[in-house]
Amino acid sequence: NAGVTQTPKFRILKIGQSMTLQCTQDMNHNYMYWYRQDPGMGLKLIYYSVGAGITDKGEVPNGYNVSRSTTEDFPLRLELAAPSQTSVYFCASSYYRGRGEAFFGQGTRLTVV
Amino acid sequence: TQLLEQSPQFLSIQEGENLTVYCNSSSVFSSLQWYRQEPGEGPVLLVTVVTGGEVKKLKRLTFQFGDARKDSSLHITAAQPGDTGLYLCAGAGEGDSGYALNFGKGTSLLVTP
Repeated sequence: NAGVTQTPKFRILKIGQSMTLQCTQDMNHNYMYWYRQDPGMGLKLIYYSVGAGITDKGEVPNGYNVSRSTTEDFPLRLELAAPSQTSVYFCASSYYRGRGEAFFGQGTRLTVV
Repeated sequence: TQLLEQSPQFLSIQEGENLTVYCNSSSVFSSLQWYRQEPGEGPVLLVTVVTGGEVKKLKRLTFQFGDARKDSSLHITAAQPGDTGLYLCAGAGEGDSGYALNFGKGTSLLVTP
């Protein structure tokens, strides 16, 4: 049972480059989320989705884009990477909105230089 | 965004000691969750509390939800080195604000033998 799978685990980007962080879940959850985690700052919500074809902005969406074409996949796109996007990114999914248990992937550690 | 304040931010104790971590907000939450995160991993759910005044126990961990559903505490009895990790509280808002969890900044706990 894979749960939530994120790829890649580590990545170094140069300023101005673009990349897509992949996230897939096999639990048939409707709700999916992208968070970023900076040291001492907890987890901040970037984007979330309540089902295929529906996405919405979270607290810190600038510089990111998402799509949700299937229930399983929720990729996060970084356009024109900036040093401020250096962070650890977590994808999560849940069966119930908000109050339901969120299952997290192992994270992607991204460094922009 | 509904803010959650966690205290203390860091805690270093010796094996066998007791400790309490606090999670406070000025907002009302429909539920509050506690997660534990180990280095290089995503957060893993410990408990969800839903009812004001609710107390839940998980072995040596005791979780309490405030009567007004604005705050929570985590008490660990006789801490073990295996309890070392980052403890995060997360709240689900009510209504439309309840689509995703808002996380506190976390309490980093180190238990030394």
